[in-house]
Amino acid sequence: KAGVTQTPRYLIKTRGQQVTLSCSPISGHRSVSWYQQTPGQGLQFLFEYFSETQRNKGNFPGRFSGRQFSNSRSEMNVSTLELGDSALYLCASSLVPSSTDTQYFGPGTRLTVL
Amino acid sequence: ILNVEQSPQSLHVQEGDSTNFTCSFPSSNFYALHWYRWETAKSPEALFVMTLNGDEKKKGRISATLNTKEGYSYLYIKGSQPEDSATYLCAFIPSGAGSYQLTFGKGTKLSVIP
Repeated sequence: KAGVTQTPRYLIKTRGQQVTLSCSPISGHRSVSWYQQTPGQGLQFLFEYFSETQRNKGNFPGRFSGRQFSNSRSEMNVSTLELGDSALYLCASSLVPSSTDTQYFGPGTRLTVL
Repeated sequence: ILNVEQSPQSLHVQEGDSTNFTCSFPSSNFYALHWYRWETAKSPEALFVMTLNGDEKKKGRISATLNTKEGYSYLYIKGSQPEDSATYLCAFIPSGAGSYQLTFGKGTKLSVIP
């Protein structure tokens, strides 16, 4: 079974631009979560989606948004990029939202904002 | 804000040594604890999901214990091998609120010297 895939793997943008990152979960998984990792910080929760609905959002500004499609694929968008948005963005999928089900992570998208 | 602490931050051991590290989390509203291994340039890999006080899980040479009353979990690696070199992350899920977001510690970076 294919794992979680994320595209693109690397991205370079300039301040003020916007970016869209994509995540395809493991086949059959309907829950997708997004996390951000910046240097010196642990993985920080961005969003959680299930059945095309955002169930939770982390403490991030409104420039960060996302959505989930009917095939469970998810995208996240960052508008008006700032230098501090440079980070590794990871998505994770699970069958359904659950505290005890394993979340399977993708390889991440490395975003660099110049 | 949930506080999940991991110690030590980094660790260098000789091949063949056994080692352990700690994850501390709020004991008052525990629901589940996840352990992940994250090798450089790869996706975080799930190791264990722990839910019960006194729980002990094992996967090959790696094992973990859980003490929910005092708010800590230990991860043990017996006979470390160079391929064990990775960052080990724990992630906490509190009870209630219907949210399944993982709150991660900053990880323990293990380097095994051949």
